[in-house]
Amino acid sequence: QSALTQPASVSGSPGQSVTISCTGTSSDIGAYDFVSWYQHHPGKDPKVMIYDVSKRPSGLANRFSGSKSGNTASLTISGLQADDEAEYYCCSYAGRNTWVFGGGTKVTVL
Amino acid sequence: EVQLVESGGGLVQPGGSLRLSCAASGFTLSNYWMHWVRQAPGKGLVWVSRINSDGSSRNYADSVKGRFTISRDSAKNTLYLQMNSLRVEDTAVYYCARMQVTSFDFWGQGTLVTVSS
Repeated sequence: QSALTQPASVSGSPGQSVTISCTGTSSDIGAYDFVSWYQHHPGKDPKVMIYDVSKRPSGLANRFSGSKSGNTASLTISGLQADDEAEYYCCSYAGRNTWVFGGGTKVTVL
Repeated sequence: EVQLVESGGGLVQPGGSLRLSCAASGFTLSNYWMHWVRQAPGKGLVWVSRINSDGSSRNYADSVKGRFTISRDSAKNTLYLQMNSLRVEDTAVYYCARMQVTSFDFWGQGTLVTVSS
């Protein structure tokens, strides 16, 4: 049950796009299309941004998109806004009713 | 309105026990899979445990297996995490989370557990 690998931080200017990668193994990301992404502002509870690799919850801005290739999933935030500054976590089903999260990526809006 | 409110956190010595509670409102707990997820200070989220909708199946991360027990009281609409043989490395904010099919759609605000002598 090793954590998925995410970059510690990414940054971009308002209006730009940033992409966060999430690398797992053939036992988690590579095996299932059950990757989700969570936005976590300090002091608040996490919020799901993407589920099932690329699906957006209803009402969520289409600036957020997800994809997967092999053992790596990605979250792209387009048209970066100040409120997007937060920690982002990927999560994957890992089989046998267990789940694994990534270490988190701090997104900074310059 | 869906709400999850955790309680029961606090300071405990290594080897001690603690029981966390997660009171649900706005939905019926027994209709969903429920999970515990923790976050150590300055670290990322880590999945801890899961219980299915009828309580017949429970799973744990290797790091807590044999020490933690997840359970649920349908009458009280409350989720629990019994934590025994606590270690310093169990220090974290513990969140309960509801699973909607394949993702965690609602989370509590978390309760802090500190294991220290």
